[in-house]
Amino acid sequence: NAGVMQNPRHLVRRRGQEARLRCSPMKGHSHVYWYRQLPEEGLKFMVYLQKENIIDESGMPKERFSAEFPKEGPSILRIQQVVRGDSAAYFCASSPKKQRGPESLTDTQYFGPGTRLTVL
Amino acid sequence: RKEVEQDPGPFNVPEGATVAFNCTYSNSASQSFFWYRQDCRKEPKLLMSVYSSGNEDGRFTAQLNRASQYISLLIRDSKLSDSATYLCVVRGNYGQNFVFGPGTRLSVLP
Repeated sequence: NAGVMQNPRHLVRRRGQEARLRCSPMKGHSHVYWYRQLPEEGLKFMVYLQKENIIDESGMPKERFSAEFPKEGPSILRIQQVVRGDSAAYFCASSPKKQRGPESLTDTQYFGPGTRLTVL
Repeated sequence: RKEVEQDPGPFNVPEGATVAFNCTYSNSASQSFFWYRQDCRKEPKLLMSVYSSGNEDGRFTAQLNRASQYISLLIRDSKLSDSATYLCVVRGNYGQNFVFGPGTRLSVLP
């Protein structure tokens, strides 16, 4: 049973280029989350998606960043016109369909290995 | 005030020591609580969920105090392999996103 897969693992871009990060959730998982981790800092929530729907994008920068989770294929985090400050590790996590009840919520998140973006 | 706060660390302890991490959260409506560990330059991995009744998994014990909005993690008989950053994670009601604390770094020394 493959875990959460992310690719590429490392991505180098020059300022102004586009970066596309892909995430394939665990089998049977329909919820995907994207996080960013700057060097020596904690994880910051960016966006929460279900198939074909953005549920919560409160952590996404207003410009240049977008995310999708199509009916078929992986979730994509897209960063247009990258700047040096976008250099970070981008982690994707997935969780299964939820059950009811506060302490039976099967909403544990499982993380992918991350994509390390370096902007030159 | 940050939504989730943790002991600033780092904690440097000898092998075999018992170490406790503390975490507080500000959203009283939070429903789900977790501890994750993150090794250097790796992804976070679930250590354990935290339930109201408290729970134990081997050398690890987690406690939740809803009234004080406080979560703890106790590690007994610490091993070198326990060296990592420990992340406290809180989630509000169904459908809300997860909030990660800044993490507490632990170094277990030989």
